[in-house]
Amino acid sequence: AQSVTQLDSQVPVFEEAPVELRCNYSSSVSVYLFWYVQYPNQGLQLLLKYLSGSTLVKGINGFEAEFNKSQTSFHLRKPSVHISDTAEYFCAGNRDDKIIFGKGTRLHILP
Amino acid sequence: DTGVSQDPRHKITKRGQNVTFRCDPISEHNRLYWYRQTLGQGPEFLTYFQNEAQLEKSRLLSDRFSAERPKGSFSTLEIQRTEQGDSAMYLCASLRTSGRADTQYFGPGTRLTVL
Repeated sequence: AQSVTQLDSQVPVFEEAPVELRCNYSSSVSVYLFWYVQYPNQGLQLLLKYLSGSTLVKGINGFEAEFNKSQTSFHLRKPSVHISDTAEYFCAGNRDDKIIFGKGTRLHILP
Repeated sequence: DTGVSQDPRHKITKRGQNVTFRCDPISEHNRLYWYRQTLGQGPEFLTYFQNEAQLEKSRLLSDRFSAERPKGSFSTLEIQRTEQGDSAMYLCASLRTSGRADTQYFGPGTRLTVL
């Protein structure tokens, strides 16, 4: 069973518009949740992580995510995107000391 | 640059050949992970080490795959008798354990193409 589900494989959005990338997790992963970004031809970079405490997590590059236990979601948001945000974004959870990744969402920034 | 390096960055080989990849983790990181990422998918766990001990191997890791971390520092991943299905990005990550979902730092990956 899929442990981390990213609901959109691609998201097009106009530059300077807000964006939300959706992620749902299952009970097979712990509630240690992550968002990683992968720029073209590069490795993965951690954007933010949720371990406990405040459900609103702020990360790098103006991104934030909200942990919602009742909806088992951990959606990523940015109020105004830039062309440099073009990348693949991966939601992930921790299970038995391993990271379980979703399939990724490709963010396309339209001029 | 996260501080984790991988070599080579790209490898093209013919089916049936053996290949070896190297990962140098961040100094003093005691855990080292290998993941495989195929086109359009997220990375999938292959194996990991705590110091020099290999603690777990995924069912994805067939008998043709072997990984080592002989001195608890760098690691190698070898694929014997490569197949076209082995074509993927191989990612390495490292972390220093502190007991609570520690952050894994990823290298840039080695892209393998098997012809």
